[in-house]
Amino acid sequence: GAVVSQHPSWVICKSGTSVKIECRSLDFQATTMFWYRQFPKQSLMLMATSNEGSKATYEQGVEKDKFLINHASLTLSTLTVTSAHPEDSSFYICSASADRGTDTQYFGPGTRLTVL
Amino acid sequence: QKEVEQDPGPLSVPEGAIVSLNCTYSNSAFQYFMWYRQYSRKGPELLMYTYSSGNKEDGRFTAQVDKSSKYISLFIRDSQPSDSATYLCAMSGGSNYKLTFGKGTLLTVNP
Repeated sequence: GAVVSQHPSWVICKSGTSVKIECRSLDFQATTMFWYRQFPKQSLMLMATSNEGSKATYEQGVEKDKFLINHASLTLSTLTVTSAHPEDSSFYICSASADRGTDTQYFGPGTRLTVL
Repeated sequence: QKEVEQDPGPLSVPEGAIVSLNCTYSNSAFQYFMWYRQYSRKGPELLMYTYSSGNKEDGRFTAQVDKSSKYISLFIRDSQPSDSATYLCAMSGGSNYKLTFGKGTLLTVNP
């Protein structure tokens, strides 16, 4: 149980284009979903937290107009990187939490974004 | 001082060895403690979850939490080459539900 999927697993795009990444909880309803960014050999950096049906809460320093998050249902959240540039190239990972009481998060497999 | 400190290693051990991974933290509000395993280019996988102080065992893995010392550990018995990965400690509690991660320890188990 507690499986989270992400799509696509990797994407290459041209500078200036937008990329959408999907995160789905497959066998549970996620009250909260999280988006992280990870650079090589570094730990995860939380970008934003989203609850179904409400606006995402962004961490300090994360541009909300550049990283658009939509949490349309209890099983789906999307991250859109708008007008991507090479510095946006990174490994993006989502996680989902079903139980606020334990704060346990289950992670997706990640999406590797390369912006040319 | 960072909220969570974790020695990044790298740590290299022979197959069959007992591995000890540790994290220290400064926020006394943390109540939930987790260990995640992350293989290269993959998302983290939840290994162990512990609430408050105490021990928890699952197969070859044992998690220990000592809240009085603000110190958590993960022990891996009979380590296998397939255990080679980065191990991340994470914790939460207090006023929000966000996880605070350690930097991760890179473990290599040599056959």
